[in-house]
Amino acid sequence: NAGVTQTPKFQVLKTGQSMTLQCAQDMNHEYMSWYRQDPGMGLRLIHYSVGAGITDQGEVPNGYNVSRSTTEDFPLRLLSAAPSQTSVYFCASSYSTAEETQYFGPGTRLLVL
Amino acid sequence: GNSVTQMEGPVTLSEEAFLTINCTYTATGYPSLFWYVQYPGEGLQLLLKATKADDKGSNKGFEATYRKETTSFHLEKGSVQVSDSAVYFCALTGSGGSNYKLTFGKGTLLTVNP
Repeated sequence: NAGVTQTPKFQVLKTGQSMTLQCAQDMNHEYMSWYRQDPGMGLRLIHYSVGAGITDQGEVPNGYNVSRSTTEDFPLRLLSAAPSQTSVYFCASSYSTAEETQYFGPGTRLLVL
Repeated sequence: GNSVTQMEGPVTLSEEAFLTINCTYTATGYPSLFWYVQYPGEGLQLLLKATKADDKGSNKGFEATYRKETTSFHLEKGSVQVSDSAVYFCALTGSGGSNYKLTFGKGTLLTVNP
């Protein structure tokens, strides 16, 4: 198993551009989520999904969209990038909402100029 | 809401020193508690967890005990190695319907010198 994979590893955007951060898992996990990591802030939950077709907002959802059309994939879309979205983004998954151990991807480092 | 407070870093130790990283939490109900570790350039990995009061989680020489009376989950290791240099995050999941949502502390950077 590849586990949780994320692409790209690094991206530079200009303010106002849009992009999609990809996340995929091959473990048939039901629960997937996106976090952003900022210095001195820890990780904060952006959006999460408890299964295909079901998504919900986390702590900091503004400026981001998600969808979950398949069990494997959970892309994060930035509609109009802003410098405040400069961060490291992590995708995570777990087998079910009752399984508390979450598995993290390697992260995507995003710089918005 | 839930929150996690962990000691501010950075923490710098010599090899074979004793490590303690303090973590306290605020939560309703009976959360599960976690320590995650992030090695340089990598994602987070689960280090250990405890799911109920007085449980002790342990892994790779690290230990933490779920203390409900003091709402704490301090991470300890008796003898650190250079390879333990990383950022350590204390986290919890809510109880009941939100038991899958992780709330993280801000992280503590540990550097171990040879």
